Order: sequence, then structure tokens, then C-alpha cells
Amino acid sequence: GAVVSQHPSWVICKSGTSVKIECRSLDFQATTMFWYRQFPKQSLMLMATSNEGSKATYEQGVEKDKFLINHASLTLSTLTVTSAHPEDSSFYICSAQGANPEPGELFFGEGSRLTVL
Amino acid sequence: GENVEQHPSTLSVQEGDSAVIKCTYSDSASNYFPWYKQELGKRPQLIIDIRSNVGEKKDQRIAVTLNKTAKHFSLHITETQPEDSAVYFCAASIRGNKLVFGAGTILRVKS
Repeated sequence: GAVVSQHPSWVICKSGTSVKIECRSLDFQATTMFWYRQFPKQSLMLMATSNEGSKATYEQGVEKDKFLINHASLTLSTLTVTSAHPEDSSFYICSAQGANPEPGELFFGEGSRLTVL
Repeated sequence: GENVEQHPSTLSVQEGDSAVIKCTYSDSASNYFPWYKQELGKRPQLIIDIRSNVGEKKDQRIAVTLNKTAKHFSLHITETQPEDSAVYFCAASIRGNKLVFGAGTILRVKS
């Protein structure tokens, strides 16, 4: 199957700083990428959907100015958590989809664990 | 929007027994229902999926059934093994591949 890589796999930062997480499709062109957040012992909650070259679509309740998503190329999407606070500590996972996919043909990244002190 | 409910939240079974996890969804337009297995700190792994034009699908010890009329689908694991212990998530897809996940089920297989 296709490979999606996320970086960094874990990051610790101080409150008030910004953190960037990268999601790369290594062997296919990802026209759409999805960003999820997963708190401990909870489910994956979709934060936003990004399509290459256009603005991301955010789910209700997700602050677009706090979680900046950029999908500038067909192989890279980034999530920047701006002015991070301890409550932003979570596991962030991206998934990617190629052009003309079969329903549900999604490939997940390894996830990035963010800890804000 | 779509809402997916999953039960039970935790499930303990003896090795060799069967495990059943059930999900219901709200949007009749949903047409794709995957099941994921997630181990601690890892990415979700697709274990089986079913589309709305099929009522049942089986892959070795794992099977999924779908009842579109009742809007529910279930995961069945037979002959459970300790390595089946993990968190399992169901999901439903509407409007393409936007997945809505259930709350998850912690499966513990006791040896």
C-alpha cells in the first residue's frame, strides 16, 4: 500500500510557542489530506480537510487561526499549532487520499504526539 | 452530520472465544464502513471494510456484517488471540472519504 510519513513523531514545546507537523505522501500524489486529533483514550476527531492548492475546510469547533493547515504540494501538507497551550497536547494524525480513489482508500501517517508544557 | 455510536466501550474475552463489536450510524447516505485496529501510540490499521451494496464480508477470523435498513454494522472476531488485544474503531463515510469514527472499543483477550 501507499506510504504516508509524518514528522516529527513526537514533540515537546513550551506554552506559547508554535509547532509544525508535516505529513508527506512518499509514493503517490495526495490530492486530499485529512488531519485528526486524538486525545488519550478517545476516538479520532476530524479537524480539517485540505485539498492541494486550496484553503482547508475546518470542522465545526476547530479554530482555523490556531491550527494552520497548508497543502502547497501534492505530497506535503503541514499543520501548525500556533501559540500552543497544554490543552493542545494530543496525538495528531494525518491521512491522505490520491486522485480518483476507491471509497475509503485512505492512508494514515504514523501520528505525532504533541506535549505542551 | 453523521454520528457513529459504538458498543461496548470495553470487551474482555477468553482466548479462543469470539468477540463482537457493534456500531450504528445516523446518515442513510453513508456507503462505506471500515474497521480499524489501533495499538497504543500507533496509527490506525484498516482490518476490514464493507460497502453498502454488500451485507457481509469475511477475511479469515474477521467478519463484518451490515444492515442498511437498521443502519448498523458489526465486527466479529473468532478464535481470539492475545495479539488481537487493541482498540478497535468503526467508521462511516459520507460525501466521499470523510470518515466519522466511533468512540472505540478496548478489546482484551485473556490467555
